[in-house]
Amino acid sequence: DGGITQSPKYLFRKEGQNVTLSCEQNLNHDAMYWYRQDPGQGLRLIYYSQIVNDFQKGDIAEGYSVSREKKESFPLTVTSAQKNPTAFYLCASSMQTGTRYEQYFGPGTRLTVT
Amino acid sequence: QQQVKQSPQSLIVQKGGISIINCAYENTAFDYFPWYQQFPGKGPALLIAIRPDVSEKKEGRFTISFNKSAKQFSLHIMDSQPGDSATYFCAARAGSARQLTFGSGTQLTVLP
Repeated sequence: DGGITQSPKYLFRKEGQNVTLSCEQNLNHDAMYWYRQDPGQGLRLIYYSQIVNDFQKGDIAEGYSVSREKKESFPLTVTSAQKNPTAFYLCASSMQTGTRYEQYFGPGTRLTVT
Repeated sequence: QQQVKQSPQSLIVQKGGISIINCAYENTAFDYFPWYQQFPGKGPALLIAIRPDVSEKKEGRFTISFNKSAKQFSLHIMDSQPGDSATYFCAARAGSARQLTFGSGTQLTVLP
């Protein structure tokens, strides 16, 4: 059963603590992405990676860090430097074959920082 | 120029009616236009997508209409059902770009 898994579904942390969100895909997709979604808002790109050991900042990368050591995995760390970390975090991956392109999302992790 | 403008922000439709969500873009390099459906607490799911070489694509009750000259595309949901109540996002991608540019989303409510 192929897809994107994110864990945990809900995550609670105290202010000042770093927290790492997991994202794994078994779709053999090259590219992976992290988005942030606030209530009633759209999708904002945090980081993306097109290949192992390479990643680029998105629109709101400050206070976040990522790694891409394996093709299947793209963990996101929300650092204490992120001023408003409470949000719904979505991981995605994409495939491109010739002109065909498709991007799929995981189920999301809701992070609450108090 | 990278923006995709989506309207309306929210939409209320009676069961059986037609829901129409519109998106407009400026970047003429965009060549792939998907729509995503998101239920509360879930990740967005790819619903339907179109390329600019066709003016319309239909999958079941969902139709994308594409107007290349106007740089607009829209999602039509025929015979709208309460189960269609969700947030819908349009998106666009240019050429070999590896990321999508998303619209701001439309919250659709279909009344029973």
